[in-house]
Amino acid sequence: NFMLTQPHSVSESPGKTLTISCTRSSGSIVSNYVQWYQQRPGSAPTTVIYEDNQRPSGVPDRFSGSIDSSSNSASLTISGLKTEDEADYYCQSYDSTNHVVFGGGTKLTVL
Amino acid sequence: QVQLVQSGAEVKKPGASLKVSCKASGYTFTSFAISWVRQAPGQGLEWLGWISAYNGNRNYAQKFQGRVTMTTDTSTNTAYMELKSLRSDDTAVYFCARHKGSSHWLDPWGQGTQVTVSS
Repeated sequence: NFMLTQPHSVSESPGKTLTISCTRSSGSIVSNYVQWYQQRPGSAPTTVIYEDNQRPSGVPDRFSGSIDSSSNSASLTISGLKTEDEADYYCQSYDSTNHVVFGGGTKLTVL
Repeated sequence: QVQLVQSGAEVKKPGASLKVSCKASGYTFTSFAISWVRQAPGQGLEWLGWISAYNGNRNYAQKFQGRVTMTTDTSTNTAYMELKSLRSDDTAVYFCARHKGSSHWLDPWGQGTQVTVSS
């Protein structure tokens, strides 16, 4: 089994670009798809990126996902930050036994 | 539109059992699995397991083996999650989510069911 490690919190100003990392502890990050979910307080998570870099319809193209094999990590990049982007973000993948694995979550503050 | 609607909030005593329902609509129920995820107060997301609505195959997280049972009713497009021997640290919001098998993408999610375990 492996773990996905995210920074506990990040902050940035409106209009800026920010990247949240998700590092896989063992095994290759490219082996299994990574998803990213946004969760606002009191709400269920919603998908912002699926299958490493795909954006569901309705998600602004300010959100993008990428995989970096050299750092064994996935990244979520949000450009043109808006106050409405303030939320918790979770990365998610799965292991060889098809068990779902979540990162610990990152609290994004836009100030 | 694809939607998952969960049953309402529950208050349980330690040692009791819990059963949460998740009714799906807007898609072919048997074409996907359903995952169950919980979130304790102020904490992150914790996966409990998934069940295939096609053939009933189950895959539970090690932590919950022996205590959780997931079932589906294809006549009503409803999934169920039963958790036994409840403890105070089972207090959480429980979510169901449609689970795409090939990429293990969970989308959409139900609205969540608040479960409080207290004596």
